[in-house]
Amino acid sequence: QVQLVESGGGLVKPGGSLRLSCAASGITFSDYFMNWIRQAPGKGLEWVSYISSSGSGSTIYYADSVKGRFTISRDNAKNLLYLQMNSLRAEDTAVYYCAREVAEALGDWGQGTLVTVSS
Amino acid sequence: QVDLTQSPSASASLGASVKLTCTLSSGHSAYTIAWHQLHPEKGPRYLMKLNSDGSHSRGDGIPDRFSGSSSGAERYLTISSLQSEDEADYYCQTWGTGFRVFGGGTKLTVL
Repeated sequence: QVQLVESGGGLVKPGGSLRLSCAASGITFSDYFMNWIRQAPGKGLEWVSYISSSGSGSTIYYADSVKGRFTISRDNAKNLLYLQMNSLRAEDTAVYYCAREVAEALGDWGQGTLVTVSS
Repeated sequence: QVDLTQSPSASASLGASVKLTCTLSSGHSAYTIAWHQLHPEKGPRYLMKLNSDGSHSRGDGIPDRFSGSSSGAERYLTISSLQSEDEADYYCQTWGTGFRVFGGGTKLTVL
């Protein structure tokens, strides 16, 4: 049974940093593309970033809204996905979800972790 | 880049059927999409992958009350025999090299 569990969310001041983690179990983690998606309060889902599988060279892409501030990475030995978030802004306040791609679709989701950026 | 358009809200009665629409932007009518449910208490769940020819594959454990169809640039999610637990937000999503994109979501109310 696939399980994705996010952690690391919390309250941070504008300009601050936070690192999110997503622990994967029940899958051969290294075989899959992984994504971060977020939902700001009262808003829809917004794709943040993806990292390809190791077999695809761990290619990385970001949404324009986070490019240059956020960094996605993975540790296949520990089955962990990360999102390092720097220079945080109020508009980054959201629930952050990790998701596994299956046949290109976002086939499995975690339950999310809340990030609040406020002074 | 491709955009997805969804109506903000929909409603239907308990036990009835509802058809939600996702429209691909001009020039992108061949795209495959996915439908996702974002339940207020249960969180996100992948429902299905839907191809331009209307063929679709449901996620594990998704009941056959959920079905998909396509017509041109339109992608549909039909939910039959509506249950109270179906009250949620529904998002379509597509992808390409370097991007993933979501529609704005449709809030479904079960009356």
